[in-house]
Amino acid sequence: ILNVEQSPQSLHVQEGDSTNFTCSFPSSNFYALHWYRWETAKSPEALFVMTLNGDEKKKGRISATLNTKEGYSYLYIKGSQPEDSATYLCASNQAGTALIFGKGTTLSVSS
Amino acid sequence: GAGVSQSPSNKVTEKGKDVELRCDPISGHTALYWYRQSLGQGLEFLIYFQGNSAPDKSGLPSDRFSAERTGGSVSTLTIQRTQQEDSAVYLCASSLGRDTPQYFGPGTRLTVL
Repeated sequence: ILNVEQSPQSLHVQEGDSTNFTCSFPSSNFYALHWYRWETAKSPEALFVMTLNGDEKKKGRISATLNTKEGYSYLYIKGSQPEDSATYLCASNQAGTALIFGKGTTLSVSS
Repeated sequence: GAGVSQSPSNKVTEKGKDVELRCDPISGHTALYWYRQSLGQGLEFLIYFQGNSAPDKSGLPSDRFSAERTGGSVSTLTIQRTQQEDSAVYLCASSLGRDTPQYFGPGTRLTVL
């Protein structure tokens, strides 16, 4: 069974701090890596989907990198704002399998 | 355009009863997924439909759970003889394919008394 691990489990930063989270996944038969943002009382919202080793994607102050050979992805948030407070989920799948989610990193940003 | 919709938004049922949860995916999305989030847990994969292929049922926790997708569109998740441990938020998502973003519905909160 595919095991996707995320760290840290939770994180508390001050407004303006930059931060990053890690997602680890099996590198064998890798197909795609997804990042989602999940705010309380809302549904998960897609941030990035990455498929190629070395991929880097950016959306505003949030960016992500992918290393498929070693099986990890980093999500970076530059200049955190209170509205960035959410749980950030990563998910991965191998060829022919469904997407498996990690347990998420919960970010809290204080103003 | 319309997003993924789910009904009902909340369902309270008694232990032992059957329940049906409905998901309307985004039009044109060939892939449809069911997940659940139990209290304090992460997002747990249940079942995945892709086009006309046989569904991936590997995440269904027991034979009390089943799902179908009619006409490649609407999906129904059925839980028979509900148990208290089935209480969770059940989320549906759809996508164009396995390497494209998933769009999630608002979820159905199921409470089994």
